[in-house]
Amino acid sequence: EAGVTQSPTHLIKTRGQQATLRCSPISGHTSVYWYQQALGLGLQFLLWYDEGEERNRGNFPPRFSGRQFPNYSSELNVNALELEDSALYLCASSFGDQPQHFGDGTRLSIL
Amino acid sequence: AQSVTQLDSHVSVSEGTPVLLRCNYSSSYSPSLFWYVQHPNKGLQLLLKYTSAATLVKGINGFEAEFKKSETSFHLTKPSAHMSDAAEYFCVVKLGNYGQNFVFGPGTRLSVLP
Repeated sequence: EAGVTQSPTHLIKTRGQQATLRCSPISGHTSVYWYQQALGLGLQFLLWYDEGEERNRGNFPPRFSGRQFPNYSSELNVNALELEDSALYLCASSFGDQPQHFGDGTRLSIL
Repeated sequence: AQSVTQLDSHVSVSEGTPVLLRCNYSSSYSPSLFWYVQHPNKGLQLLLKYTSAATLVKGINGFEAEFKKSETSFHLTKPSAHMSDAAEYFCVVKLGNYGQNFVFGPGTRLSVLP
């Protein structure tokens, strides 16, 4: 079975720009989670989508937003990029009470 | 509040010696617990999971973990470390019975010396 796929692998932006990151979950998974992994800060929970709805949100400003499409894929949008947004953004998917399965992430670099 | 503590931020072992990565949790519920491994510039890979069946859980790559309710612990072990085990390891507790939040520990970096 195909795993969780994320695109692009790397993304380079400048301050103030907007970034869009994409995630395709494992077939049959209805939940998608987004995490930020900045250097030295561990894994920080961003957003959880299930069945097209935002179910929970981490402690991040509103310029971090996203959506889940009818095919359960998801986008994470980050507006007004700041230097500290540089990080590895990880997407995970799951179904019901099953464990999360992770993609390899998108490395976002802000210049 | 639910939380996960990984007692060591960095563990260093020699190749062929045992590995012990410690994890303690606090939870109001009977938890589901997981260990994930992350190699550099990669996503997290599920090593094993505990979901209230057997207290000793066997995972991939020779890892296992024991759930001890009295100690609120879920330590990860491996009898003999291999160079390829060098990575970051995360202990995770799942809240609730459906989806919801997964609480991640801060991670333990495992170094394996030749």
